[in-house]
Amino acid sequence: DQQVKQNSPSLSVQEGRISILNCDYTNSMFDYFLWYKKYPAEGPTFLISISSIKDKNEDGRFTVFLNKSAKHLSLHIVPSQPGDSAVYFCAARPPGANSKLTFGKGITLSVRP
Amino acid sequence: GAGVSQSPSNKVTEKGKDVELRCDPISGHTALYWYRQSLGQGLEFLIYFQGNSAPDKSGLPSDRFSAERTGGSVSTLTIQRTQQEDSAVYLCASSLASLVIEQYFGPGTRLTVT
Repeated sequence: DQQVKQNSPSLSVQEGRISILNCDYTNSMFDYFLWYKKYPAEGPTFLISISSIKDKNEDGRFTVFLNKSAKHLSLHIVPSQPGDSAVYFCAARPPGANSKLTFGKGITLSVRP
Repeated sequence: GAGVSQSPSNKVTEKGKDVELRCDPISGHTALYWYRQSLGQGLEFLIYFQGNSAPDKSGLPSDRFSAERTGGSVSTLTIQRTQQEDSAVYLCASSLASLVIEQYFGPGTRLTVT
């Protein structure tokens, strides 16, 4: 029973263009959503988060959009850079004191120079 | 400042042996989490420590898995009588407090059970 789904395993984008990474969830109780970026042989690095009461959060080249009715969120990277090539994980957190995260399987982004 | 560190970075063990994986969280972080990532899968929650509270062990897959956190800092994840399906990358994360959203991850320990 996967509560957080990243249905596309990979994405390839030309440098300078927009990258759109999608994520779907099933648990309407999640109150925070996060994106993590992971390079090989390193741990995931926090990228950006969004509260369930918001529909958009922007940080530099990264914007996360949340559509609660569709239980869908997306990460937009614009413009994409070769250094953005990594695995991106979508994660969700239920309300309460225990912040254990539920992760998707990840999507591998390749940005072509 | 120092981030989350884990040791060893790689561990190869024979089926049936016990292994211990270590995590040093960021100094001052009261919340500590263990996750694992099996091949082709997302990160799977294992166990969570918050201060002196009883740990949340709800993610441990079997009673062969246990973890402790000594002095509110270093944590050890122990897997007894390892099986091949235990092969995965084991990741530790810490955060300033349990209500803080951002978790900082270590580089992980890649465990291979032969």
